[in-house]
Amino acid sequence: ETGVTQTPRHLVMGMTNKKSLKCEQHLGHNAMYWYKQSAKKPLELMFVYNFKEQTENNSVPSRFSPECPNSSHLFLHLHTLQPEDSALYLCASSQTTTGVWRTQYFGPGTRLTVL
Amino acid sequence: SQQGEEDPQALSIQEGENATMNCSYKTSINNLQWYRQNSGRGLVHLILIRSNEREKHSGRLRVTLDTSKKSSSLLITASRAADTASYFCATDARPRMDSSYKLIFGSGTRLLVRP
Repeated sequence: ETGVTQTPRHLVMGMTNKKSLKCEQHLGHNAMYWYKQSAKKPLELMFVYNFKEQTENNSVPSRFSPECPNSSHLFLHLHTLQPEDSALYLCASSQTTTGVWRTQYFGPGTRLTVL
Repeated sequence: SQQGEEDPQALSIQEGENATMNCSYKTSINNLQWYRQNSGRGLVHLILIRSNEREKHSGRLRVTLDTSKKSSSLLITASRAADTASYFCATDARPRMDSSYKLIFGSGTRLLVRP
């Protein structure tokens, strides 16, 4: 699990707050992902970055804003969230986005609670 | 139904018994992967089986793939209390004919191994 780190591990925020989630991978990978995991729902892919370029935005509301300054770092900027956005947010990385190199390595997640 | 459905949703067994989880999918795949998630943590990659493989082993794990039935099974032999976790299958597939390949996760099977 130390290959992909996420901070903070827990976050409680009000609906008017602005906060950011950070993800860092130490595996030399070129692709990074944000997922949302809510109770009793499948893992939802939010964003995909490959070589710092966003290659997928899975119809995510604009109150979630990703940023990928380099292949090792990925941020998720949050503003004016809703209580239904409370979930476990998982970051993952993979060698690239093709074939078996799509095998993903996950961080421990950030447990987000929106009040 | 969605791509990558696990069955059963929950499984409770005694330590030492074998645990079998199944995954069904709808579209053709490049490969199928199994992941494990401890409560509130990130997912950990367990094993990958390619579409031209029928069976694969890794320690106490045995994975089978039947592409004609579009199904896979994960067998954990001689289970331990530490195997308690959720297990997800992920298919490397195209959700639609006009989309790119991506890793699609199922809803998972919650396994409880009683000491």
